[in-house]
Amino acid sequence: GENVEQHPSTLSVQEGDSAVIKCTYSDSASNYFPWYKQELGKGPQLIIDIRSNVGEKKDQRIAVTLNKTAKHFSLHITETQPEDSAVYFCAASLMNYGGATNKLIFGTGTLLAVQP
Amino acid sequence: DADVTQTPRNRITKTGKRIMLECSQTKGHDRMYWYRQDPGLGLRLIYYSFDVKDINKGEISDGYSVSRQAQAKFSLSLESAIPNQTALYFCATSDPGQELYGYTFGSGTRLTVV
Repeated sequence: GENVEQHPSTLSVQEGDSAVIKCTYSDSASNYFPWYKQELGKGPQLIIDIRSNVGEKKDQRIAVTLNKTAKHFSLHITETQPEDSAVYFCAASLMNYGGATNKLIFGTGTLLAVQP
Repeated sequence: DADVTQTPRNRITKTGKRIMLECSQTKGHDRMYWYRQDPGLGLRLIYYSFDVKDINKGEISDGYSVSRQAQAKFSLSLESAIPNQTALYFCATSDPGQELYGYTFGSGTRLTVV
């Protein structure tokens, strides 16, 4: 089955700096790679995702890159703000329309602290 | 009201007791999941259900059982709780064919087994 590794486990940056979180996956058949943000006392929420037919995707200050050959994908947050402080999870899956394999396997999480 | 509601929010129970965690959703989604969150281990899948008659084991199902009472309700039971089941438990839902729009998570149940 799929296995997802995530690094670093904790990351502290100064406000305005960039933050990068990296994940690797084991199953070359996986085709969908979402990122979730979990704020204190809440459940995870989807912030951005990427499919295997795309190398990079951006949404304002966040971007995700995918290297299928190396089975790596990364989350990039630019111009970090204190409200970006949270736990971030990557995940991977083989996703097909209504497919039986559509279950997410999550990484171990990264606690991001943005210092004002 | 929240789309995915978990009860209770917090629970302390004794070793050996049976406990049930409940999840209900108003999303109309067919698919429901139970995850466990532990520090340093992330979110691990316990059980999932793709419809009322479909129940599947996840990565760490030992010591747990589930019941899908209706499309909107999916319960997780610990038949005889043990201290290493102390964790934060999340229920999530998804719409088949719409998983690319993400899962919807509840706010979690913090369970402590003493």
